[in-house]
Amino acid sequence: GAVVSQHPSRVICKSGTSVKIECRSLDFQATTMFWYRQFPKKSLMLMATSNEGSKATYEQGVEKDKFLINHASLTLSTLTVTSAHPEDSSFYICSATRAALNYGYTFGSGTRLTVV
Amino acid sequence: GIQVEQSPPDLILQEGANSTLRCNFSDSVNNLQWFHQNPWGQLINLFYIPSGTKQNGRLSATTVATERYSLLYISSSQTTDSGVYFCAGGVRALNFGKGTSLLVTP
Repeated sequence: GAVVSQHPSRVICKSGTSVKIECRSLDFQATTMFWYRQFPKKSLMLMATSNEGSKATYEQGVEKDKFLINHASLTLSTLTVTSAHPEDSSFYICSATRAALNYGYTFGSGTRLTVV
Repeated sequence: GIQVEQSPPDLILQEGANSTLRCNFSDSVNNLQWFHQNPWGQLINLFYIPSGTKQNGRLSATTVATERYSLLYISSSQTTDSGVYFCAGGVRALNFGKGTSLLVTP
């Protein structure tokens, strides 16, 4: 159990366009999901916490108008990179956890975004 | 936020050797997890271990919550163990360390 599906796995887009990344918990309800960004050979940086039915909580330095997060249901959170620029190219990974304690966090397989 | 310090940053082992990876936290955490990131970027969960000791085959982990550190032991290492190991911890969201890049040579 505890599978998180993330799509697309890879996307190339032109500068100025927007890209949507989906994160789904397949076999459990996730009241909270998390979005991370990872640069090559670097650690994962927490971008925001996505709360079902309410606004996302962004980490300091993350532009909320550029990285739009929507958590419309207990199984789906989306990250939209708006007006993408080459510097937005990165590996984006989502994570979800069950409400129950002691279960841990499950991560999606990640989305490699390249902006050309 | 919580700072996570991992050591060593890089490690080269010969097949069959044992190793210990360490993770220190700047503050108490409710959640703590060890991951292995494969070459495709997928984070493979190794242990969810906010306290105590767990074992899974050649891997085991120990967290001493009162002293804010965790250890990952790899015994009889194999070439397939190569990759980046992350620990992450936090109260709500997981904060990641910079990882240990492990290379196991034949």
